[in-house]
Amino acid sequence: ETGVTQSPTHLIKTRGQQVTLRCSSQSGHNTVSWYQQALGQGPQFIFQYYREEENGRGNFPPRFSGLQFPNYSSELNVNALELDDSALYLCASSLSSDYGYTFGSGTRLTVV
Amino acid sequence: QKEVEQDPGPLSVPEGAIVSLNCTYSNSAFQYFMWYRQYSRKGPELLMYTYSSGNKEDGRFTAQVDKSSKYISLFIRDSQPSDSATYLCAMSAGTYKYIFGTGTRLKVLA
Repeated sequence: ETGVTQSPTHLIKTRGQQVTLRCSSQSGHNTVSWYQQALGQGPQFIFQYYREEENGRGNFPPRFSGLQFPNYSSELNVNALELDDSALYLCASSLSSDYGYTFGSGTRLTVV
Repeated sequence: QKEVEQDPGPLSVPEGAIVSLNCTYSNSAFQYFMWYRQYSRKGPELLMYTYSSGNKEDGRFTAQVDKSSKYISLFIRDSQPSDSATYLCAMSAGTYKYIFGTGTRLKVLA
């Protein structure tokens, strides 16, 4: 059991740029969710993928998009970065029938 | 009004104390209730999850859910300095989306 790994751990981008964050799910987990955690706040749901299809989305604009690959790894893409996008981005995986996600350590994104 | 309310703390207690952490919520559709622990610069770690009302115990941790009052609690017995972290409650209506509280910062003093 390798857990959930995310890369990179830290990233600094300029407003208007695009960013791709990556996640490798825990072995055997076919569901992945992405959350945004601003400083001092709880995580906010961005979207979830199950077997390569998006099956749920939170209140985030379309410039937040994602992919899940056949090996259940995942990407989060954010276009046209804004200063308010600065946050910790968390990937979480689970079995589709299980509750209680396993989170990665996150990617700390700073937009300047 | 937020769907989930959680006192941000910080909460400071002496080592060995019993800690009580709480969340209230407004959405009666919530059925699954989780507690996560988050250390600084780390992702949340699942401590407990409970379906519907009742109690669940795991070692020094006890989770309680009172759906009639829309209130959940996490108790930590014999608290240790290593328990110092932010504790997040999370809830789900049985769908893909978890709603998290803002987290309570706990400091256990040696």
